[in-house]
Amino acid sequence: GAVVSQHPSRVICKSGTSVKIECRSLDFQATTMFWYRQFPKKSLMLMATSNEGSKATYEQGVEKDKFLINHASLTLSTLTVTSAHPEDSSFYICSARGGGGVEKLFFGSGTQLSVL
Amino acid sequence: AQSVTQLDSQVPVFEEAPVELRCNYSSSVSVYLFWYVQYPNQGLQLLLKYLSGSTLVKGINGFEAEFNKSQTSFHLRKPSVHISDTAEYFCAVSDGGYQKVTFGTGTKLQVIP
Repeated sequence: GAVVSQHPSRVICKSGTSVKIECRSLDFQATTMFWYRQFPKKSLMLMATSNEGSKATYEQGVEKDKFLINHASLTLSTLTVTSAHPEDSSFYICSARGGGGVEKLFFGSGTQLSVL
Repeated sequence: AQSVTQLDSQVPVFEEAPVELRCNYSSSVSVYLFWYVQYPNQGLQLLLKYLSGSTLVKGINGFEAEFNKSQTSFHLRKPSVHISDTAEYFCAVSDGGYQKVTFGTGTKLQVIP
């Protein structure tokens, strides 16, 4: 199946710093990428949807100035957590969709962010 | 609006025993239904999906699920589990609009040797 690479897998940072997470589709062109946040013992919550070359669409309650999403190419989307705080600590997962519908959605391996 | 309920947060089961993980959904439109598996420190992998047609869907690793429209359920089953099936399982629903997928809270399957 298609491969989505997410990097880094784990990051620890100090409060107030910014962290960038990359999501790459390795063998297909991802017209749409999604960013999810997963809390312990909770479901995945969709944060935003990004389409290549356009601004991301954020879900209600997600701060767009805090979680910057860039989808500059058909194979790369980045999520930058700006001025991170301990409450931003979470597991972040990206997914990518190429041509076709939601059944062709592939997930990255996730990034565990810990803000000290 | 659509939602997914996975009532069981944890399901312990002995190796080689059968298992059923429950999933109920609500949606105002036709739905696509999915089961994903997440192994520790990994992303999600699609187990199986229901888009249309036969209500019994077979997936990878010997799993199957049955779509029951009248009961709004999509329970996941496996006749004989293996240690390697220990993971978290997520049920998900999409309205078919190719955009938003709503996930349940997950069920942790623990296979006991």
